[in-house]
Amino acid sequence: AQRVTQPEKLLSVFKGAPVELKCNYSYSGSPELFWYVQYSRQRLQLLLRHISRESIKGFTADLNKGETSFHLKKPFAQEEDSAMYYCALKEDTGNQFYFGTGTSLTVIP
Amino acid sequence: DAGVTQSPTHLIKTRGQQVTLRCSPKSGHDTVSWYQQALGQGPQFIFQYYEEEERQRGNFPDRFSGHQFPNYSSELNVNALLLGDSALYLCASSLDRAPWQDNSPLHFGNGTRLTVT
Repeated sequence: AQRVTQPEKLLSVFKGAPVELKCNYSYSGSPELFWYVQYSRQRLQLLLRHISRESIKGFTADLNKGETSFHLKKPFAQEEDSAMYYCALKEDTGNQFYFGTGTSLTVIP
Repeated sequence: DAGVTQSPTHLIKTRGQQVTLRCSPKSGHDTVSWYQQALGQGPQFIFQYYEEEERQRGNFPDRFSGHQFPNYSSELNVNALLLGDSALYLCASSLDRAPWQDNSPLHFGNGTRLTVT
């Protein structure tokens, strides 16, 4: 069963515009949610995790258990934000991470 | 700190052959996970190794096997290669923590691109 859904394969926004990358999950326990990012020619790297409740590079994400969502938001997109973004879930039992199919974000100058 | 290193970077094999991919974890990490990423998809969990044993396995056939060495490095072996095994294979390392501690996030290598012809 698909644990993590990222409905948008491609997303384009203009520089300075707000951006929201959607992530919905399917899990009845207490998952841990992550956003990973892959910039051009770089490895997949952690952007943020819900338990940290911090803003990284201007991005935030709030875990909404009622809507089972973990959307990634940034108020003002920058060109350097162009990258592939993956939402990931780790169950409270087990060590496996489940990844979504990713959203390719393009910030238009 | 070199981070997670994987070798080789690219590999071309013929259907039916066997392949071995290698991974050295980030310094200080003791757990290695392997993921398969097909084109246009997110990474899919193959298995995880900790204390030289397979701790958890994803939905992959027995043709996929692995090993972890005392220095925490790891190998992924795939036997009887199929065309569908063509993918990017990612190694990710982490640090095992006690249940009451925050989970350690995954640190990924650059991957090995396997092409099966």
